[in-house]
Amino acid sequence: DAGVIQSPRHEVTEMGQEVTLRCKPISGHDYLFWYRQTMMRGLELLIYFNNNVPIDDSGMPEDRFSAKMPNASFSTLKIQPSEPRDSAVYFCASSFQGWEQYFGPGTRLTVT
Amino acid sequence: GENVEQHPSTLSVQEGDSAVIKCTYSDSASNYFPWYKQELGKRPQLIIDIRSNVGEKKDQRIAVTLNKTAKHFSLHITETQPEDSAVYFCAANSGGYQKVTFGTGTKLQVIP
Repeated sequence: DAGVIQSPRHEVTEMGQEVTLRCKPISGHDYLFWYRQTMMRGLELLIYFNNNVPIDDSGMPEDRFSAKMPNASFSTLKIQPSEPRDSAVYFCASSFQGWEQYFGPGTRLTVT
Repeated sequence: GENVEQHPSTLSVQEGDSAVIKCTYSDSASNYFPWYKQELGKRPQLIIDIRSNVGEKKDQRIAVTLNKTAKHFSLHITETQPEDSAVYFCAANSGGYQKVTFGTGTKLQVIP
């Protein structure tokens, strides 16, 4: 398996624009997690899914953030409108039965 | 929710010496404690984990101990090598669920 795949790897956008981050989990994994990593706040869980259903979105910072998982092999994290404080590395991770999490390479987002 | 504290924030050791990183957690229902290693610019990678039914687990030069009574767990790296230099994160799940909360990280530097 190729591991967790994320795209794009880097994204630079202007404030106010919509940003969509994509993730393909490892085949057979039933949990998918979205994290945000910054120097100030560390590694934060934003939302996680089990069998494509959102289980806990309490980490989503505000209504500008939304996430979907239309099927077992694809998830998106959308920010609309984006703000400079959203600049961070966003990781997607997947696991089987919720235990060992395997992280993707991350998307480095810069909002100017 | 779960609160995970990690110490020290930075640690420098001579090659060949041992390194110890300590974490405490707040949720007495936590039963899963993974450790991740993150090299600069890379994704976090699971290096070892422990579940609450055991007090210690070892994998070559890495070991983790768990004290459920005191709610703390530790990572021990023996015979450190320069390639061990990275940021290490501890984590604990919340209420027995698959959601984990990460510590703030320890930057380990192994001096050749």
